[in-house]
Amino acid sequence: NAGVTQTPKFRILKIGQSMTLQCTQDMNHNYMYWYRQDPGMGLKLIYYSVGAGITDKGEVPNGYNVSRSTTEDFPLRLELAAPSQTSVYFCASSYFGSTNEKLFFGSGTQLSVL
Amino acid sequence: AQSVAQPEDQVNVAEGNPLTVKCTYSVSGNPYLFWYVQYPNRGLQFLLKYITGDNLVKGSYGFEAEFNKSQTSFHLKKPSALVSDSALYFCAFNFGNEKLTFGTGTRLTIIP
Repeated sequence: NAGVTQTPKFRILKIGQSMTLQCTQDMNHNYMYWYRQDPGMGLKLIYYSVGAGITDKGEVPNGYNVSRSTTEDFPLRLELAAPSQTSVYFCASSYFGSTNEKLFFGSGTQLSVL
Repeated sequence: AQSVAQPEDQVNVAEGNPLTVKCTYSVSGNPYLFWYVQYPNRGLQFLLKYITGDNLVKGSYGFEAEFNKSQTSFHLKKPSALVSDSALYFCAFNFGNEKLTFGTGTRLTIIP
């Protein structure tokens, strides 16, 4: 009963490097989300997807890209990493969307860009 | 900008006492309001939501929240705190879309 799985749990990047944060869910959820959590700032929505092949920008999409080729996977791509992207990243999913039911969150990826 | 505010970064409550975690909202229209909890090194977990209807909403783990339109508040409450309630609590809102906006969080510590 895995739920929402994020990998890696920790990562250190150098400025300008790229990486992909992986997120997969085994609950057949239509909706998936990427949030970042900065200290004292709450969570901010980066991108979300309402189904395979459909993605949309959230509040803070700059510097990130996403794709949704399958129902299960929703990877987040960082191109040209910057110190401002140092944060904890959370992936979440739900079947009917964040208004109609609760979100299920992964355990997070702690990213440092140095 | 439309937002929710959690005026207290830290709340300390003695075990067995009632607890309140405050949330106020500054949005136009009729928002949907939520509470989530985050335990150490874990993702957020849903506690409860208010969409319409009864102003007192009951949720998981014995928590409840009261929607007060005149005071634009949605405070989280529990009649008797447990040490296991110690965690980070987030208030959030949206307008029936997927753009759920979170507050900055309140760290609740229950003192044995």
